[in-house]
Amino acid sequence: GESVGLHLPTLSVQEGDNSIINCAYSNSASDYFIWYKQESGKGPQFIIDIRSNMDKRQGQRVTVLLNKTVKHLSLQIAATQPGDSAVYFCAEIITGGGNKLTFGTGTQLKVEL
Amino acid sequence: NAGVTQTPKFQVLKTGQSMTLQCAQDMNHNSMYWYRQDPGMGLRLIYYSASEGTTDKGEVPNGYNVSRLNKREFSLRLESAAPSQTSVYFCASRDRVVGNQPQHFGDGTRLSIL
Repeated sequence: GESVGLHLPTLSVQEGDNSIINCAYSNSASDYFIWYKQESGKGPQFIIDIRSNMDKRQGQRVTVLLNKTVKHLSLQIAATQPGDSAVYFCAEIITGGGNKLTFGTGTQLKVEL
Repeated sequence: NAGVTQTPKFQVLKTGQSMTLQCAQDMNHNSMYWYRQDPGMGLRLIYYSASEGTTDKGEVPNGYNVSRLNKREFSLRLESAAPSQTSVYFCASRDRVVGNQPQHFGDGTRLSIL
């Protein structure tokens, strides 16, 4: 069946380095992709989104890249800080039918001092 | 700004007991959602309400019922709790049904069924 998944369950980076979190999706009908950050004991927090007609979108210290040819999504975090430590989820939406999100399993980002 | 508020934050139930999880949002959002999150897994959709007065099943609806009480409130009910329903439950809302708007999440209800 269709699925959204992540390549690596845990990613450790040094403070100040750039982080890259990857996500693969299999549903070519997906219109819209979102990255969420989830800190321990909290709900997912919206980070950045991208529409399927875009290849790249930048936010504050974050960039999302979308490669529709290989159905791959990545989240790049510049100058990673201790406060970036969290689980990161990608999610996809197919517009219509309530715009339901399909989540990947998540990547744990650990920032080492 | 409260956003999405879930109550209670923690609950322990015995098998067979019933329970209603409450969710309220103050952002005037049309759509509301209930998810469960199990260890090592992403969030899975239980039920959603695209707009006031409508509800629909998600990926894992069995064992649950929902009520969209008004535009602000969306409750999730477990009629006869089972250990397999031990999970963290998240409520979310978004601005409109059509169009690309992100969902906003509450901080969850941690539910244990003994």
